[in-house]
Amino acid sequence: QSALTQPPSASESPGQSVTISCTGSSSDVGNYNYVSWYQQHPGKAPKLMIYDVNERPSGVPDRFSGSKSGNTASLTVSGLQAEDEADYYCYSYAGSNKFVFGTGTKVTVL
Amino acid sequence: EVQLVESGGGLVQPGGSLRLSCAASGFTFSNYWMVWVRQPPGKGLVWVSRIKGDGTSTSYADSVKGRFTISRDNAKNTLYLQMNSLRAEDTAVYYCARGTTAGDVWGKGTTVTVSS
Repeated sequence: QSALTQPPSASESPGQSVTISCTGSSSDVGNYNYVSWYQQHPGKAPKLMIYDVNERPSGVPDRFSGSKSGNTASLTVSGLQAEDEADYYCYSYAGSNKFVFGTGTKVTVL
Repeated sequence: EVQLVESGGGLVQPGGSLRLSCAASGFTFSNYWMVWVRQPPGKGLVWVSRIKGDGTSTSYADSVKGRFTISRDNAKNTLYLQMNSLRAEDTAVYYCARGTTAGDVWGKGTTVTVSS
């Protein structure tokens, strides 16, 4: 159950786009379309932003989108806004009724 | 309003036990898988355990298997995590969340500190 690999940080100016990668293996990300993404502000609980690779829950802006290719999933935030500055985590089913999170990425809006 | 509220955290000595609770409201609790997730201080999220809506299926992360037990009381709309043989590395904020393959509702968390 090794954590999925994410870049520690990403930054971009307001209005621009940032893409965060989440690399796993054929045992998790590559084998199931159960990848979700969470946004977490300091001291707060995580918030679901994307589920099932590319589905957006009600209320999440369409600036957030997800995709997957092989063993790597990605979250793209378009039209960056100040309130998007947060930590982001990917999460995947890993088979055998187990799950795994990514290492987390701190997004900074310059 | 759909809500999850964790309780039961605190300071415990290494080797000790603690039981966390997660009170659910605003939805039909028994229809949902529930999970426990923890976050050590200054670190990332870690999946801990999961339980099916009727309680018939459970799973655990290798790091807690044999020490932690997840359970639920659907009559009380409450999820539990019994934690035994606690270690310093179990120190974390513990969150409960609703969902099968993604957590769409989360509690605010309860803090567990394992220290002598």
